[in-house]
Amino acid sequence: EVVLTQSPATLSLSPGERATLSCRASQSISVYLAWYQQKPGQAPRLLIYDASNRATGVPTRFSGSGSGTDFTLTISSLEPEDFAVYYCQQRNNWRGLTFGGGTKVEIK
Amino acid sequence: QEQLVESGGGVVQPGKSLRLSCAASGFSFSSDNMHWVRQAPGKGLEWVAVIWYDGSETYYADSVKGRFTISRDNSKNLLFLEMSSLRAEDTAVYYCARDIVSAEGIMDLWGQGTTVIVSS
Repeated sequence: EVVLTQSPATLSLSPGERATLSCRASQSISVYLAWYQQKPGQAPRLLIYDASNRATGVPTRFSGSGSGTDFTLTISSLEPEDFAVYYCQQRNNWRGLTFGGGTKVEIK
Repeated sequence: QEQLVESGGGVVQPGKSLRLSCAASGFSFSSDNMHWVRQAPGKGLEWVAVIWYDGSETYYADSVKGRFTISRDNSKNLLFLEMSSLRAEDTAVYYCARDIVSAEGIMDLWGQGTTVIVSS
């Protein structure tokens, strides 16, 4: 099983600041990593897939990078609606998908 | 518009069974692989199972293998999760989700979830 470790667990930032979230895989997963956003009481929303491809309708302030075992989600300038929990997920082994533990981006 | 609506959740005793349903609308359901993902209270996301667009293949997380069965009825645009031998640790919100066409294993459309509570 591919284990995904997200850091930090919590990120305290102000609107307008840049957010950098990390996801590390226990083995190489090529570029097969996605990022999801989840707000309280809501279903997850796909943001980025295959490391750097924005999903339909996702603002350009969200960008993803990385390959192999190290991946980053960057939010260039936080908007009020961006404060949420973010999960990474790998599809390298699509018979056994796994998610990271999540990073909460909270208002400082 | 494209939509997934889950139903069938509730309170069930340990060891009992429950069947969840997911109704799809607004897209070509029979062309898409489908997943179940769950989220225990206050916890992260856990992938549960996937079924191929035609039902020909299914895969499960180790935590549910042998107890849960994913199935679908493409004539009725319905996805199912049959859960048996339920345990307290199966308590969660269960989401159905659609596989993205161009990237198997990525979920681009999610339902709002149905809550399962396993308790005596």
